This record gives sequence, structure tokens and C-alpha cells, in this order.
Amino acid sequence: EPEVTQTPSHQVTQMGQEVILRCVPISNHLYFYWYRQILGQKVEFLVSFYNNEISEKSEIFDDQFSVERPDGSNFTLKIRSTKLEDSAMYFCASSLNRQGAVSGTEAFFGQGTRLTVV
Amino acid sequence: GNSVTQMEGPVTLSEEAFLTINCTYTATGYPSLFWYVQYPGEGLQLLLKATKADDKGSNKGFEATYRKETTSFHLEKGSVQVSDSAVYFCALGNTGFQKLVFGTGTRLLVSP
Repeated sequence: EPEVTQTPSHQVTQMGQEVILRCVPISNHLYFYWYRQILGQKVEFLVSFYNNEISEKSEIFDDQFSVERPDGSNFTLKIRSTKLEDSAMYFCASSLNRQGAVSGTEAFFGQGTRLTVV
Repeated sequence: GNSVTQMEGPVTLSEEAFLTINCTYTATGYPSLFWYVQYPGEGLQLLLKATKADDKGSNKGFEATYRKETTSFHLEKGSVQVSDSAVYFCALGNTGFQKLVFGTGTRLLVSP
């Protein structure tokens, strides 16, 4: 069964350092997403990506964040200068079509990367 | 704006008990509704979904019916198992949406 793969599963970084979280979406999917979940809180949308550009982003996704699809298989989230409050579980997701399309296409989520900023 | 409200947890049940986790929503238009489950140490998995009013989503013994009149999508299971212990998230997305809006999640603990 195809799945979304995220690496690493856990990353510890020092405040102010840059981190790159990596994701391999399902191969024929066209829409890609990042969400995060701060411990004990709700899962929050960060950004969606389609056709090699950001299609929607939340207010959380400020200039410290960027996304890239460097090749045909990877989708990355970069945080330029990490802050303590960036500590969270980050989930990558992908979908074949826009979610909520007539076919009811849903997003498939990866296992998550737990980012700890110290 | 769109929002989802879930009942506070944790919900603690004995094996074979009946489960209800309440979810209500606020949305413009005609959203699709989802239940995701997060087992300990794992990511989010889609449990079930409903894309229009009166649809019933079902999977692994879990059910939820899309009730437009009460703007609800309550999750139910007739007989829970220890292996159902997890966090359950209700979520919505509008037609053609780019993102899911999640509730806060409800932790379910099932004891033998």
C-alpha cells in the first residue's frame, strides 16, 4: 500500500539553527501539505503546495518557513532559524486531487517528524 | 471561519463498552467531514469520511453520520477494544479546499 514517508522521525536542534524536514509523498499525488501539532494541541495547517508553488498558507507560515519540491519525489519544509516554540510534530500529507473534490479524495499523512528545539 | 469542536477527553471505557465522541462544526458551504485516528507513536490515519449530508462513513466498526441540521459528525462504535486506544480527530474541509481544519482531538483509553 502506498504511503507518505517522512525523515527523520525525530530531530533535535539548537535554537537559531536551520532544519530541513523531508517527505516523500505518494508518487502519483499532486497536492502536498505540511501540518504541525504542538504537544497537547490541535493539528494545524501550515501550507499547501501544488504545481511547484505554494497555493495556500496559514499565518503560522511566516518568512522563517519555506517549502520546496527539489526533485520528482521529495517535498521539504525548511525552518531557517528555529525557535523554542517551533518544537512540535510536523506532518506531511499528500492528495491526488484537491481535497473535497467530487471523488472525495482525502489526504494521506506521514508518520510525522518530532522536532525538538533546545 | 471554519471550525471544529470536539468533546474534551480523555474518554475512559472498559472493553466492549459503547463509544460516542461528539464533534460539531461551523463551516460555510457544504464541507466534507473526516475522522482521523492517531495511535500511540504513529501518524494520522484516515478512519472514515462523509462528503455530503446524511452520508454515513464507516470503517473498522466505527461509524459517523453527517448531520447538516445539527452540524454534527459524532463518532460511534458499538463495542470498543483495547486496541482502539488512541487520539481521535474530527476534521473538515470545504469543497475544493486546500486544507483540513482539525478539532483538538479526543483521547480514548480502553481498559481490559
